[in-house]
Amino acid sequence: AQSVAQPEDQVNVAEGNPLTVKCTYSVSGNPYLFWYVQYPNRGLQFLLKYITGDNLVKGSYGFEAEFNKSQTSFHLKKPSALVSDSALYFCAVRAIKAAGNKLTFGGGTRVLVKP
Amino acid sequence: DTGVSQDPRHKITKRGQNVTFRCDPISEHNRLYWYRQTLGQGPEFLTYFQNEAQLEKSRLLSDRFSAERPKGSFSTLEIQRTEQGDSAMYLCASSSGTIPYEQYFGPGTRLTVT
Repeated sequence: AQSVAQPEDQVNVAEGNPLTVKCTYSVSGNPYLFWYVQYPNRGLQFLLKYITGDNLVKGSYGFEAEFNKSQTSFHLKKPSALVSDSALYFCAVRAIKAAGNKLTFGGGTRVLVKP
Repeated sequence: DTGVSQDPRHKITKRGQNVTFRCDPISEHNRLYWYRQTLGQGPEFLTYFQNEAQLEKSRLLSDRFSAERPKGSFSTLEIQRTEQGDSAMYLCASSSGTIPYEQYFGPGTRLTVT
């Protein structure tokens, strides 16, 4: 079985400050990891993915994520947050050797960036 | 717009009625997924198609739910005898056959059962 934990329901940060959204996962074997963002009344928008290789992955809109195998974590980061980054963020995992392609999502973290 | 599209965007129905949702994936994607998202939760997997074959179904997909992808293009998700517990956002996603099969989501269909 695969699972994802996002320990913070909400993260508040001032505009211009660094933003971190935490994610830990559990999966049999090696994972594919993803971050998605969801704006109100909209579907999920793909931000970035980890497949293999470099532990620091860069994605859209200045976001990056760091894969840490020993801590089974994949935290999302942005050096300088914008008010427009306020949204719901989801981490998702899929085991590389999983038979199907389903993603397992965390419960989401709401990010509020204050001006 | 070459993204995933879903229709309708909103559906209000009375308990006991049947509803059908449609999803049009990105044209070159052969894999299609349905998820359900309730308020404040992450999406939960329902089912997965590769071309026209339905290869995986979640236990969440009770016998009141059925999904099809008749020609390997668009897909439909039907809920029969709707219940208030079916109220949720139904999300469709598609992916190519290239690792790691990142999924691209449509805007969702919000179902409200009264």
